[in-house]
Amino acid sequence: ETGVTQSPTHLIKTRGQQVTLRCSSQSGHNTVSWYQQALGQGPQFIFQYYREEENGRGNFPPRFSGLQFPNYSSELNVNALELDDSALYLCASSFNGAISETQYFGPGTRLLVL
Amino acid sequence: RKEVEQDPGPFNVPEGATVAFNCTYSNSASQSFFWYRQDCRKEPKLLMSVYSSGNEDGRFTAQLNRASQYISLLIRDSKLSDSATYLCVVNIRGGGNKLTFGTGTQLKVEL
Repeated sequence: ETGVTQSPTHLIKTRGQQVTLRCSSQSGHNTVSWYQQALGQGPQFIFQYYREEENGRGNFPPRFSGLQFPNYSSELNVNALELDDSALYLCASSFNGAISETQYFGPGTRLLVL
Repeated sequence: RKEVEQDPGPFNVPEGATVAFNCTYSNSASQSFFWYRQDCRKEPKLLMSVYSSGNEDGRFTAQLNRASQYISLLIRDSKLSDSATYLCVVNIRGGGNKLTFGTGTQLKVEL
């Protein structure tokens, strides 16, 4: 186990709703990254938080937003849900934001949008 | 063109076989390279980093060719437990610590 936890494990929402996903990083890690993995695809980078500041963002619309707390846990918020948002959402923590640091993934949250 | 390209497979091989996966990346600013393994409905887990000099971890050997922008993974003496999806991953300089994943190559090891 990586020590990275995510909640909830599964979630069903309807189109137009909002959702908040949570991630607790591994002890000693100050960086959290979020990824979206659609069925049959590799994970796609959403954004990264380093010491409570956004440290890079992928090609996702502004309705995907995030937050990192002083204890380095993090939230991913998605507004105005669309059917295509159905995916596995993964968070990964690392010791710092350096390019060489290994990222450790949590078990993910499976989101289904109906 | 995708930033990281892999053959999706599946590769069906008998137990004990040697199997090789290849991956190409398009961004010459790519700086770090990895193979991750992902079991069905689970999170990706780091299998090994890939270095220019090539590196080996037990039955697994990874190679990197920066000139050709090509990464490979060789699995020798395949086990049933090696059945999984293998994700080729690069980290691009200037993008923070953003991992860019291929779509993965599915391996099925059979009796």
